[in-house]
Amino acid sequence: GDSVTQMEGPVTLSEEACLTINCTYTATGYPSLFWYVQYPGEGLQLLLKATKADDKGSNKGFEATYRKETTSFHLEKGSVQVSDSAVYFCALKGSQGNLIFGKGTKLSVKP
Amino acid sequence: GAGVSQTPSNKVTEKGKYVELRCDPISGHTALYWYRQSLGQGPEFLIYFQGTGAADDSGLPNDRFFAVRPEGSVSTLKIQRTERGDSAVYLCASSLLAGAGANVLTFGAGSRLTVL
Repeated sequence: GDSVTQMEGPVTLSEEACLTINCTYTATGYPSLFWYVQYPGEGLQLLLKATKADDKGSNKGFEATYRKETTSFHLEKGSVQVSDSAVYFCALKGSQGNLIFGKGTKLSVKP
Repeated sequence: GAGVSQTPSNKVTEKGKYVELRCDPISGHTALYWYRQSLGQGPEFLIYFQGTGAADDSGLPNDRFFAVRPEGSVSTLKIQRTERGDSAVYLCASSLLAGAGANVLTFGAGSRLTVL
């Protein structure tokens, strides 16, 4: 069945460091891909998405490119801030519109 | 409403008790989803409603779990004879369209269930 695998955390970085969180997927066809973020004490929020191969999703300085050759959707940011500390979830959209999530990667950014 | 509202935000119960969790989706959203998030894990799909009917309940773990959406808006997730393993955050999400053309899911803040 469809599944998402993302790198395990936690990830601890200093402010202004470069971030990459790896995500790969297994699915039939080419599903839409998403990154959701969960800030401390808050609900899941959509960070960015890509609906077809080679699309790049971007938001708040984060980017991810849909790579069908490597079935990947890695999340990147060139310079992280303390306010980026959160748990990040990679997800794909299943055939019924439901989302299938990875296990999440906790990011802590130190000043 | 402006967002997806879930109540209660926290529920502590004893093993064997019955629990109801409520979700009030964004007005006009036809699709509604329930997920369960255990500590340190990603959300796991439970059930999906399109309108009043459950279009996919394949994620419900067993027959102690049941969900309804009688008028196509508010949904209630019902858990009978709760077990300690049911402790988790239960998330509700809604979207404007259902099926293959579904829009992005908007999540509520969740209901944290603790079974003692």
